[in-house]
Amino acid sequence: EVQLLESGGGLVQPGGSLRLSCAASGFTFRSYAMSWVRQAPGKGLEWVSAISGSGDTTYYADSVKGRFTISRDNSKNTLFLQMNNLRAEDTAVYYCAKVILRKPESSSFDYWGQGTLVIVSS
Amino acid sequence: QSVLTQPPSVSAAPGQKVTISCSGSNSNIGNNYVSWYQQLPGTAPKLLMYENNKRPSGIPDRFSGSKSGTSATLGITGLQTGDEADYYCVTWDSTLSAGVFGGGTKLTVL
Repeated sequence: EVQLLESGGGLVQPGGSLRLSCAASGFTFRSYAMSWVRQAPGKGLEWVSAISGSGDTTYYADSVKGRFTISRDNSKNTLFLQMNNLRAEDTAVYYCAKVILRKPESSSFDYWGQGTLVIVSS
Repeated sequence: QSVLTQPPSVSAAPGQKVTISCSGSNSNIGNNYVSWYQQLPGTAPKLLMYENNKRPSGIPDRFSGSKSGTSATLGITGLQTGDEADYYCVTWDSTLSAGVFGGGTKLTVL
């Protein structure tokens, strides 16, 4: 059974940093691209970032480019999102998602985690 | 302002059919596959359709997807009260080199 378990969310002050993790199990992690998608309270879904199975190709939304870094540790089946210089508008539930295809340039996510809440506030 | 445009809401009676549109451009829908997601309140999104019209296992054939040019459509027949949810389209944008979601459509089954 595929499982994705996010952690690392919490309350942080504007300008601060957080590192989200997503522990994956139930599939060959290194073979699949992964993504982060977020949802601000009461708002729609927003694609954040994607990474190839090997980790050598990454993509970012313009809203987070230069502040967020996606990475993965295939030896530990874990996906990360390092978030720096956080802003109030980054407040959201962050979901990690498995890409149904192997390429990161895909919008098809067949499995999602339960999400972790990030609140940026002073 | 979302790159992909969806109607904010649609409604229909139980047993009826509804369609949800998703409009984009050549840089996204026009040249890439579209996926659709259903999100029930308080839950993570669920994949309904990928590669425009393919249903993952477990998704009933009441759900269908299509694409024409720079627009895509999700169809739901035999509406049930359990279909009340938010629905999102998403695709890759080749110019932005990023994924782009529609703003979401709230389905009400009257």
